[in-house]
Amino acid sequence: SAVISQKPSRDICQRGTSLTIQCQVDSQVTMMFWYRQQPGQSLTLIATANQGSEATYESGFVIDKFPISRPNLTFSTLTVSNMSPEDSSIYLCSVATTVLNEQFFGPGTRLTVL
Amino acid sequence: TQLLEQSPQFLSIQEGENLTVYCNSSSVFSSLQWYRQEPGEGPVLLVTVVTGGEVKKLKRLTFQFGDARKDSSLHITAAQPGDTGLYLCAGASNFGNEKLTFGTGTRLTIIP
Repeated sequence: SAVISQKPSRDICQRGTSLTIQCQVDSQVTMMFWYRQQPGQSLTLIATANQGSEATYESGFVIDKFPISRPNLTFSTLTVSNMSPEDSSIYLCSVATTVLNEQFFGPGTRLTVL
Repeated sequence: TQLLEQSPQFLSIQEGENLTVYCNSSSVFSSLQWYRQEPGEGPVLLVTVVTGGEVKKLKRLTFQFGDARKDSSLHITAAQPGDTGLYLCAGASNFGNEKLTFGTGTRLTIIP
């Protein structure tokens, strides 16, 4: 399994600002994903981070709001732009390393928007 | 859109009791995983099942994949406080480089 770290672990931000979350993996991986988990709920996939090309966004998520970078096979960033209180959530990155699509998750970033 | 419904949504039982969590869908999955998530952490993979009818055991946890590969169950025997957490099932339609569809989640609390 891969070891994944995220920074920051938590943040409190003001409405209208932006926050960039970093995800670092200890080995090269093909598939990286970004999820949102609202309080007490399951995971919702935001996008698949593609190395060297634009991310693939799920329905309801757009690049202007959640720009993603993937400069290499071990690192990705997710930016939450022009934040509102509704963006308060846990944001998780994950990697898939096996043909069985098993995913390994970072510890998450807990974001609170005031 | 594939949906994975879990039941129950919440479960609170005494230590030592048995329980079963269900994960149901109308879609067929090539593989299905179960994860457990504790507060302040990301989900941790418990098991992967790929064959219809497959049963896997992990200590006191027993996982079963339905014959038609549309549903799964997780049975815990003699629950312990350390089993407390959010249990998530997740399925993939195909093997290799596929995104997962996550279930709605079951929040389990074991009372000492």
